Amino acid sequence: DTEVTQTPKHLVMGMTNKKSLKCEQHMGHRAMYWYKQKAKKPPELMFVYSYEKLSINESVPSRFSPECPNSSLLNLHLHALQPEDSALYLCASSQAWWDRVPYEQYFGPGTRLTVT
Amino acid sequence: AQTVTQSQPEMSVQEAETVTLSCTYDTSESDYYLFWYKQPPSRQMILVIRQEAYKQQNATENRFSVNFQKAAKSFSLKISDSQLGDAAMYFCAYRSAGTSGSRLTFGEGTQLTVNP
Repeated sequence: DTEVTQTPKHLVMGMTNKKSLKCEQHMGHRAMYWYKQKAKKPPELMFVYSYEKLSINESVPSRFSPECPNSSLLNLHLHALQPEDSALYLCASSQAWWDRVPYEQYFGPGTRLTVT
Repeated sequence: AQTVTQSQPEMSVQEAETVTLSCTYDTSESDYYLFWYKQPPSRQMILVIRQEAYKQQNATENRFSVNFQKAAKSFSLKISDSQLGDAAMYFCAYRSAGTSGSRLTFGEGTQLTVNP
């Protein structure tokens, strides 16, 4: 099973709402990632979890709050977002983060977020 | 910092023909990895092919092959016998083999259209 699943597929939220995105993988991967992708642009790395600990935060605003409850699950909690946060949010996983071996990153299908 | 440049925002090819997508990169490192990712309209990014910089032999995966020119810092993707399912956004990506973890630096992407 080489699948990364994400829920929901689509999300519309107001600027005062609180919502969460969920990502799941069952490949035994110890690194999980959140990316933000605007239309016709490459993904931008937001966060990296390695062995369930936050390893990388790419200076993401605090209105985005990641959480890794266990090695298979990754959440992204959203609060007080701005319209410019509307984008496709991709989750990915790989066997490891700190390793010279170029492990493949497996991407989920993404959550299309619209902030109104 | 490394940069990746894809100079062709859009390309088109006739079904069954061959197309080459260009990618150049800038780095001062000698050991690194290069990838081509494909993102079809369904949005899920998948790895097409990867190349280790220490390998002189160009990577191939079925109809996909690369032309890796280390001295020129060039990494082009050739798609042979193009199929309608090849239509997608293609991203070239760079990963250091050093201490920056599995961080991927993406190019801006090339939108490939396959005409029947």
